[in-house]
Amino acid sequence: SQELEQSPQSLIVQEGKNLTINCTSSKTLYGLYWYKQKYGEGLIFLMMLQKGGEEKSHEKITAKLDEKKQQSSLHITASQPSHAGIYLCGADTNAGKSTFGDGTTLTVKP
Amino acid sequence: DGGITQSPKYLFRKEGQNVTLSCEQNLNHDAMYWYRQDPGQGLRLIYYSQIVNDFQKGDIAEGYSVSREKKESFPLTVTSAQKNPTAFYLCASSPLRGLEAFFGQGTRLTVV
Repeated sequence: SQELEQSPQSLIVQEGKNLTINCTSSKTLYGLYWYKQKYGEGLIFLMMLQKGGEEKSHEKITAKLDEKKQQSSLHITASQPSHAGIYLCGADTNAGKSTFGDGTTLTVKP
Repeated sequence: DGGITQSPKYLFRKEGQNVTLSCEQNLNHDAMYWYRQDPGQGLRLIYYSQIVNDFQKGDIAEGYSVSREKKESFPLTVTSAQKNPTAFYLCASSPLRGLEAFFGQGTRLTVV
């Protein structure tokens, strides 16, 4: 089965600092999604990547999918307290099911 | 406003009882999903449905059941056969499988 490994598991940064979260797959990704979750709430869709080398940005968040389509990174520039939460990557497997990473908990200190 | 609604937000159940979690969407999405989330872990797929009157088991379907009698509704029943039901349950929908999903706010189920 396809496994998604996220790193780091948790991250504490000072407000204004940049940070990167990684998501690595054991198999080729056919669609990689990034979501943000506030504790005890649902997931908010951030971005979807499908093509090797693809890069998307939304406000201060940029996500990339490598050429081999096995690793994605989420980069936040000049982090703010509003960026705090749990970031999860998810992917569709070729078996028609979805799989998610265990999440990265981000804390931004003011 | 369109969206996906889960109810209730908190649910307590006695051991041995079945309980049903509600999930309703007015986004006209064909696909709907149920996930379970445990502390410090990602989401695990319980069941999904791509069309009315049809649904498929996910990775952890044992002890759960679903129905999809209407496009808008995809209720999940946690049966007494589920050994460890205390968890956070998330429902989601998407226009088609493979497109981004919209999530409900979740139901936290506690077995007492």
